[in-house]
Amino acid sequence: DQQVKQNSPSLSVQEGRISILNCDYTNSMFDYFLWYKKYPAEGPTFLISISSIKDKNEDGRFTVFLNKSAKHLSLHIVPSQPGDSAVYFCAASGRAGTASKLTFGTGTRLQVTL
Amino acid sequence: GAGVSQTPSNKVTEKGKYVELRCDPISGHTALYWYRQSLGQGPEFLIYFQGTGAADDSGLPNDRFFAVRPEGSVSTLKIQRTERGDSAVYLCASSLRGGKDTQYFGPGTRLTVL
Repeated sequence: DQQVKQNSPSLSVQEGRISILNCDYTNSMFDYFLWYKKYPAEGPTFLISISSIKDKNEDGRFTVFLNKSAKHLSLHIVPSQPGDSAVYFCAASGRAGTASKLTFGTGTRLQVTL
Repeated sequence: GAGVSQTPSNKVTEKGKYVELRCDPISGHTALYWYRQSLGQGPEFLIYFQGTGAADDSGLPNDRFFAVRPEGSVSTLKIQRTERGDSAVYLCASSLRGGKDTQYFGPGTRLTVL
């Protein structure tokens, strides 16, 4: 039972354009959502997060949008740069005792082309 | 400063053998996590330590898997009677206090069971 789903295994975007990565979740107890970026042979690196009390969080070129009614979040990267090429994982956690336990999606490989 | 480190980076073993994987968290981080990432999947939660104690071990797949953190810093993940299905990248992460604090990941140990 995949509680966090990333339905697009890969995405190719031209440099300078917007990259939009999508994520859906099924567990209504999730209240905190994160995006991690992973380069080959490295561990995931935290990128940006959003609490369920917000619908948008922005950090430089990265913006995460949360639609709670649709149980959907998206990561926007604008403008996309070649160094953004990596695998992006969406993750979620719940309240109280499950706050520390991250549930990850299967990842989306982003390739930013010149 | 130093990030999370994991040793060895690669481990090849034979079915039925015992292995130990080590994690050195970021200094001062009280929370430590183990995840497992199989090919094509996202990281999957195994266990979470707060200090020396396992606060949540709900992700350990069976009793062949065991983890310790005797002094509240370094942790060892132990796998007995390894099986081919245990082959994966084992990731360790740490955070300052647990809860929703950002989890910082190490580079992982790639375990291959022949």
